[in-house]
Amino acid sequence: GAVVSQHPSRVICKSGTSVKIECRSLDFQATTMFWYRQFPKQSLMLMATSNEGSKATYEQGVEKDKFLINHASLTLSTLTVTSAHPEDSSFYICSASNNEQFFGPGTRLTVL
Amino acid sequence: AQSVTQPDIHITVSEGASLELRCNYSYGATPYLFWYVQSPGQGLQLLLKYFSGDTLVQGIKGFEAEFKRSQSSFNLRKPSVHWSDAAEYFCAVGAVGGNEKLTFGTGTRLTIIP
Repeated sequence: GAVVSQHPSRVICKSGTSVKIECRSLDFQATTMFWYRQFPKQSLMLMATSNEGSKATYEQGVEKDKFLINHASLTLSTLTVTSAHPEDSSFYICSASNNEQFFGPGTRLTVL
Repeated sequence: AQSVTQPDIHITVSEGASLELRCNYSYGATPYLFWYVQSPGQGLQLLLKYFSGDTLVQGIKGFEAEFKRSQSSFNLRKPSVHWSDAAEYFCAVGAVGGNEKLTFGTGTRLTIIP
């Protein structure tokens, strides 16, 4: 099946700093990428939908200025958590789609 | 609005026993249904999906699911579980084409006992 990678797999940062997470489709071109957030022992909540070359569509309640999404190519989307705070600590999962969604392994963000 | 309900938060099953995980959905059109499995600290792996056709869907790792429109259900089954099946299982509903968002249930954690 198609492979999606995320980098880094785990990141710890200080409060107030920004963190960038990359999502790559390794063996296919993804017209659409999705970013999800998962709190411990909870389900995945969609944050935004990203289409290559256009602005991301954010779900209600997700701050677009805090969670910056860039989808510059058909194989790469990035999520930048700006001015991170402890409440942003979570597991972030991306998926890439070429008519079916394939999920990345996730990134564990811990904000101290 | 679409929604998915997984009534069982946690299920414990003996190794070798049968398994059924429940999933009910609400969707305005013909639903496209998925089951994913997630091991701790990992991403999601697709077990199976239903788009149309035969309502009994076969997936990987010996899993199957049955779509019942009258009950708005898409329950996941396995005749004999293995210790390696211990994980979190998520049911999801979305639109065909993959470029539409998925709505996930809250998940069911499966524990296997010897």
